[in-house]
Amino acid sequence: QKEVEQNSGPLSVPEGAIASLNCTYSDRGSQSFFWYRQYSGKSPELIMSIYSNGDKEDGRFTAQLNKASQYVSLLIRDSQPSDSATYLCAVYNNNDMRFGAGTRLTVKP
Amino acid sequence: DTGVSQDPRHKITKRGQNVTFRCDPISEHNRLYWYRQTLGQGPEFLTYFQNEAQLEKSRLLSDRFSAERPKGSFSTLEIQRTEQGDSAMYLCASSFSGRGGYEQYFGPGTRLTVT
Repeated sequence: QKEVEQNSGPLSVPEGAIASLNCTYSDRGSQSFFWYRQYSGKSPELIMSIYSNGDKEDGRFTAQLNKASQYVSLLIRDSQPSDSATYLCAVYNNNDMRFGAGTRLTVKP
Repeated sequence: DTGVSQDPRHKITKRGQNVTFRCDPISEHNRLYWYRQTLGQGPEFLTYFQNEAQLEKSRLLSDRFSAERPKGSFSTLEIQRTEQGDSAMYLCASSFSGRGGYEQYFGPGTRLTVT
């Protein structure tokens, strides 16, 4: 079992729709959770961090964390073509950051 | 603040040659990380520094890889006797551990091609 699992996609949504990205992790001691966006050929860009159970909103992005289920998700509202990218879930515990392989999102105009 | 910078951005080398990459972190960040990323995968941890001390190194990291951060500022990653399997994007990230957050910010990466 991979430590951080994501659906590889591609996930395709129409412009203006809500994109839902999911991630599960295996280490119950994980403390911090992050979402990164990575455009093709570029490096990862941090877009959200979440530390406590529940929801955290930042603009069009909402991160959701459920530690009991070892599940973290990212919702993107009013998706735009510029949101088309690979989204990486990252899980941090004890100085160790583990990344999923990413979900590729395509937003169609 | 100009963010994390890496040099060079691209490197093409022949198998068996040594290569060295440089990373300059965000100035107030005390932690510096090196990752490797191949196509279709997430970044894979290689090693990290807190100030000048190298605190952790991946068990998967070959002895051909070495990293330094001599004055707790910039860092170098050297790969000796490169192999074709070393072809990847090498990413550097930095963070500040003092405020209890663990956000890491990445540089643009160095793309290595071993021919």
